[in-house]
Amino acid sequence: GDSVTQMEGPVTLSEEAFLTINCTYTATGYPSLFWYVQYPGEGLQLLLKATKADDKGSNKGFEATYRKETTSFHLEKGSVQVSDSAVYFCALSDQDTDKLIFGTGTRLQVFP
Amino acid sequence: NAGVTQTPKFQVLKTGQSMTLQCAQDMNHNSMYWYRQDPGMGLRLIYYSASEGTTDKGEVPNGYNVSRLNKREFSLRLESAAPSQTSVYFCASWPRVYGLAHGRADTQYFGPGTRLTVL
Repeated sequence: GDSVTQMEGPVTLSEEAFLTINCTYTATGYPSLFWYVQYPGEGLQLLLKATKADDKGSNKGFEATYRKETTSFHLEKGSVQVSDSAVYFCALSDQDTDKLIFGTGTRLQVFP
Repeated sequence: NAGVTQTPKFQVLKTGQSMTLQCAQDMNHNSMYWYRQDPGMGLRLIYYSASEGTTDKGEVPNGYNVSRLNKREFSLRLESAAPSQTSVYFCASWPRVYGLAHGRADTQYFGPGTRLTVL
């Protein structure tokens, strides 16, 4: 079945450092890909999305490119802030189902 | 427009007790979902409802029942709580219409969660 694999955390960075969180997927067909963010004590919020190969999703300085050849959707940010500290989830939705498949999440901790 | 609301926010139960988690959305979405979140496991789908009047099992349905009361409300019931059901429960809704390609770019909207402890 479809699955999403994320790098394990926590990822610990200093403010203004470069961030990469790896995400790879396995799916039949052509899924849409998402990154969600969960701040402490809150539900998940959509951060960015891409619906087809080579699409780049971006929001709040974060970017991720849908790479079909490597089945990847890595999250990047050029300069992280303390306020970016959260748990980040990669997810895919299959075109034929009503379900999202989530990765296990990666905790990001940014220190001043 | 409150989005997705969940009640209660916190709950402590004893083993064997029952309770119902409530979820409501005011966005006129067709699909609704219940997930549980456990450390190191990500979000796992318990049950979902693709449209009013239908419900289907997800990845971890055992020990739970659901009711799609109307388009707005989707409740999750634990008939006899067990310590293994200690978790954070999230409800979500999705505007997607079942089986239609235009729904691929939609996103799920999540509630704030219910933290449940079963002693």
